[in-house]
Amino acid sequence: ETGVTQTPRHLVMGMTNKKSLKCEQHLGHNAMYWYKQSAKKPLELMFVYNFKEQTENNSVPSRFSPECPNSSHLFLHLHTLQPEDSALYLCASSREDRGFEDGYTFGSGTRLTVV
Amino acid sequence: LAKTTQPISMDSYEGQEVNITCSHNNIATNDYITWYQQFPSQGPRFIIQGYKTKVTNEVASLFIPADRKSSTLSLPRVSLSDTAVYYCLVGFNTDKLIFGTGTRLQVFP
Repeated sequence: ETGVTQTPRHLVMGMTNKKSLKCEQHLGHNAMYWYKQSAKKPLELMFVYNFKEQTENNSVPSRFSPECPNSSHLFLHLHTLQPEDSALYLCASSREDRGFEDGYTFGSGTRLTVV
Repeated sequence: LAKTTQPISMDSYEGQEVNITCSHNNIATNDYITWYQQFPSQGPRFIIQGYKTKVTNEVASLFIPADRKSSTLSLPRVSLSDTAVYYCLVGFNTDKLIFGTGTRLQVFP
């Protein structure tokens, strides 16, 4: 158990489906992140939330919609995805002002397959 | 953020010491050097961080020369379970973690 819990662990969805990924942390962190890791590619930072406010969106397509209702929970809503969106989606959290120094805590990820 | 360069892959055998070097020529004065480990289908895990000289914890050692333009992660007596991708990152407190391709370490019996 890493302290950051992601559900579901695996998800298969059709291109017309709507699904949501959930991330939860009870580490007292106030920054949360979504990363995407495609096969044989580096992790790509998608979204950043500090104190529930989105502070970064790295040109992510609108078919990915994040939501952060409080500092402990983060969602990634998915709709009309493409097969190339199949990847491991990772959630992470940190102390907003010491993320690099104290380190990020990552979840185990959701393995998403779009068919 | 300072750009880092590290070998794409390395092979080793169980019981050997593994040293992975990372180059970061444009490291800034306030930057820290951090290493993460990632197993397949899991998120990266923070393993060690340093600013200068040498840092050691229960998992690894980190050697940083005086000019700080490079750093070496040292894994003593590796086992099969150390097979993973190792990432070197350089930055400061509020920087976002931007991962490169990392070094894929394969440990053989």
